[in-house]
Amino acid sequence: QQKVQQSPESLSVPEGGMASLNCTSSDRNFQYFWWYRQHSGEGPKALMSIFSDGDKKEGRFTAHLNKASLHVSLHIRDSQPSDSALYFCAARRGNYAQGLTFGLGTRVSVFP
Amino acid sequence: EAAVTQSPRSKVAVTGGKVTLSCHQTNNHDYMYWYRQDTGHGLRLIHYSYVADSTEKGDIPDGYKASRPSQENFSLILELASLSQTAVYFCASSASLSGNTLYFGEGSRLIVV
Repeated sequence: QQKVQQSPESLSVPEGGMASLNCTSSDRNFQYFWWYRQHSGEGPKALMSIFSDGDKKEGRFTAHLNKASLHVSLHIRDSQPSDSALYFCAARRGNYAQGLTFGLGTRVSVFP
Repeated sequence: EAAVTQSPRSKVAVTGGKVTLSCHQTNNHDYMYWYRQDTGHGLRLIHYSYVADSTEKGDIPDGYKASRPSQENFSLILELASLSQTAVYFCASSASLSGNTLYFGEGSRLIVV
């Protein structure tokens, strides 16, 4: 069973529009969340982390975490063609060393 | 930003052969990881290490060994490569001071024939 679930699987957004991605964990031990972005042929790169309830904004990206429901979302404002990529949600338990558990990803395509 | 370099970037291996994927990081991070990426499976953790000369099993360790001879270097070893191990492999490193944000290399594409 996938412990970190993402939706939708894919998303098409017009340039300048808003993209909204969702992520839910079925494991209550997961308390810390990240969003990663992967362009084709490259390794994943961290966009932002969120550990506390509420919103966190970094530039055009805003993440929201609800710890009670273990739901985290990512909103991309003013989407650009360079935002076309695979987006992963990842979560960690308390132990730093054990790495992150990733979802299957959401493919975002920004069209002109 | 952390620098993680992987070699080789691409490899074709024969079934039953031995494959070694290497990873080097230059940012003095304590923790290193090997992940596998397959379409439909996302990124899955194979092995990880939190200190030199010690490795731990991740979620899918079967068919893989790992070696961490120094803080900077972490290798993934396929003793008997199989068709099912065709995938893209990513190495990553992290430090507790950064909240365990993982910094990934560019990946090693392995095709087993």
